[in-house]
Amino acid sequence: EAQVTQNPRYLITVTGKKLTVTCSQNMNHEYMSWYRQDPGLGLRQIYYSMNVEVTDKGDVPEGYKVSRKEKRNFPLILESPSPNQTSLYFCATGRPGENIQYFGAGTRLSVL
Amino acid sequence: GDSVTQMEGPVTLSEEAFLTINCTYTATGYPSLFWYVQYPGEGLQLLLKATKADDKGSNKGFEATYRKETTSFHLEKGSVQVSDSAVYFCALTHNAGNMLTFGGGTRLMVKP
Repeated sequence: EAQVTQNPRYLITVTGKKLTVTCSQNMNHEYMSWYRQDPGLGLRQIYYSMNVEVTDKGDVPEGYKVSRKEKRNFPLILESPSPNQTSLYFCATGRPGENIQYFGAGTRLSVL
Repeated sequence: GDSVTQMEGPVTLSEEAFLTINCTYTATGYPSLFWYVQYPGEGLQLLLKATKADDKGSNKGFEATYRKETTSFHLEKGSVQVSDSAVYFCALTHNAGNMLTFGGGTRLMVKP
């Protein structure tokens, strides 16, 4: 079964405590991306990756890091989380040029 | 830059009512247009798409027509069901790296 798996699904943390949200896909897709969803703002892209070792900033990259060491994994790293990073995060994958993205179930993060 | 504007929700309808969710966009050239749906507690999934002017995308009784002259891609369904209750996102891409630009989302609530 084709899957995009995010972990954890829910996370409550405190300001400044480093955290990683993992994303893994089994569809052999080259493209992977992270979005955050906030009320009234839709989804905004944080970072994306066109392939292994290739990453680029999206619209709202400040405060986030990513890495793409393997094709199937694309972790999102918050080195020093702040309350304004409280949000719902989605990982998505796809094939370049196919125009369809496949989303994970989301990670709800609260930073206190 | 590109942008997508959707009508604000929530939209509340009775079962079997007609649904229209408006979506307009600002973009150069000829983007591909999408509607994604997010059911409670889940990630986004593609509902329908259109890749060129006058194309009609359709799926599960939903339809949307790519109108270049009015830069619109309104979502319609003739008879909604309770199971259609979800958040609907209009989005576009220029095929460059699969990057999607999303609207703010419209919550639909269908009552029995």
